[in-house]
Amino acid sequence: KAGVTQTPRYLIKTRGQQVTLSCSPISGHRSVSWYQQTPGQGLQFLFEYFSETQRNKGNFPGRFSGRQFSNSRSEMNVSTLELGDSALYLCASGWDQDSPLHFGNGTRLTVT
Amino acid sequence: QKEVEQNSGPLSVPEGAIASLNCTYSDRVSQSFFWYRQYSGKSPELIMSIYSNGDKEDGRFTAQLNKASQYVSLLIRDSQPSDSATYLCAVNAVTGGGNKLTFGTGTQLKVEL
Repeated sequence: KAGVTQTPRYLIKTRGQQVTLSCSPISGHRSVSWYQQTPGQGLQFLFEYFSETQRNKGNFPGRFSGRQFSNSRSEMNVSTLELGDSALYLCASGWDQDSPLHFGNGTRLTVT
Repeated sequence: QKEVEQNSGPLSVPEGAIASLNCTYSDRVSQSFFWYRQYSGKSPELIMSIYSNGDKEDGRFTAQLNKASQYVSLLIRDSQPSDSATYLCAVNAVTGGGNKLTFGTGTQLKVEL
């Protein structure tokens, strides 16, 4: 069974640009969450989608947004990139509430 | 105050010993608890999930949960050098439904030959 797939694996962007990251969950999983991991802040929750609806949201500015499609695939968008957005962005999928979440390999974003 | 606390380590144990990793959390409504292992440069990998008070065993791993004390632990028996990694404790405390994991900062485990 295929795991969580994230694309691209690496991205280099310039301040002020925007970026879109993609996540395909494990087949059958309807909950998709996004996390940001940095050395200073650790793993922080961005948002969760379930059945195309945002179910939970973390404490990130509105520049961070996401969506989920009918096939449960999800995208995350970051607009007006800042240097501090450089991080590993992780997508995780699960069956439903409280089910274990499985992470993808992540997208390493570098903002210059 | 951090919501999920872990000792950052490093925790060093000899090969074959038992490694004990601890985690405390502050939100009493927390319902589900997870341990993840993360190797350097890799993404977190799920090791254990636990939902009820007591022990849960899976191979060399045992998770322990005490909701009254707001304490979760992970024991690794017969530790191997391949167990050397950062172990992340995660807690789901969403009251309105869904998944919103709060992670500790992780404990670095080093298993020495």
